[in-house]
Amino acid sequence: AQKITQTQPGMFVQEKEAVTLDCTYDTSDPSYGLFWYKQPSSGEMIFLIYQGSYDQQNATEGRYSLNFQKARKSANLVISASQLGDSAMYFCAMRERGFQKLVFGTGTRLLVSP
Amino acid sequence: DAGVIQSPRHEVTEMGQEVTLRCKPISGHNSLFWYRQTMMRGLELLIYFNNNVPIDDSGMPEDRFSAKMPNASFSTLKIQPSEPRDSAVYFCASSLRTRSGLAGEQTSTDTQYFGPGTRLTVL
Repeated sequence: AQKITQTQPGMFVQEKEAVTLDCTYDTSDPSYGLFWYKQPSSGEMIFLIYQGSYDQQNATEGRYSLNFQKARKSANLVISASQLGDSAMYFCAMRERGFQKLVFGTGTRLLVSP
Repeated sequence: DAGVIQSPRHEVTEMGQEVTLRCKPISGHNSLFWYRQTMMRGLELLIYFNNNVPIDDSGMPEDRFSAKMPNASFSTLKIQPSEPRDSAVYFCASSLRTRSGLAGEQTSTDTQYFGPGTRLTVL
């Protein structure tokens, strides 16, 4: 069964607007961590934000915030005030308790237009 | 601070040749991961080390792949002999693994930081 599902292969947004990238996950473990990474065209993987399953509040890092809905098993990434440099692939990933490896979704390609 | 360093950044080789990829983790990190990214399979973990000891190599495709971590600041991934289907981007990542606060809870300091990757092309 797919552990991480990103249903949007591509998203378009205009500069300065907000965009939400969807991520749903599947686990029976009550303890897990959720991560978002950005991969620009240059290829590197850049860590953006982390949400722990026990965290009481949604994670925020600058323009990035995570809309964490535990009951729905969703961890959507919200990028506010999009910039041209936000154009990239975005990957959602999960790590379950007892496992160190990250399981990645298939990614969403975001294109920010002027 | 220097991030994860990988070399070479690009490698083009012929089928049958030996390929060695290198990684220097972030200083002070005690876990190191090798991932492979392809269009067909996405990002998948090959192997990871804790304190220089291999913990899980179940993702290594076959015996042609081997990885070592002789010390805390260096790791290699070797493919011998290489095949065209090994063409991919190989990432090294490192993290600082800490004990959990609450039992079983994972801490943000376990975040994995990736190197720039090595793009391997096997002709």
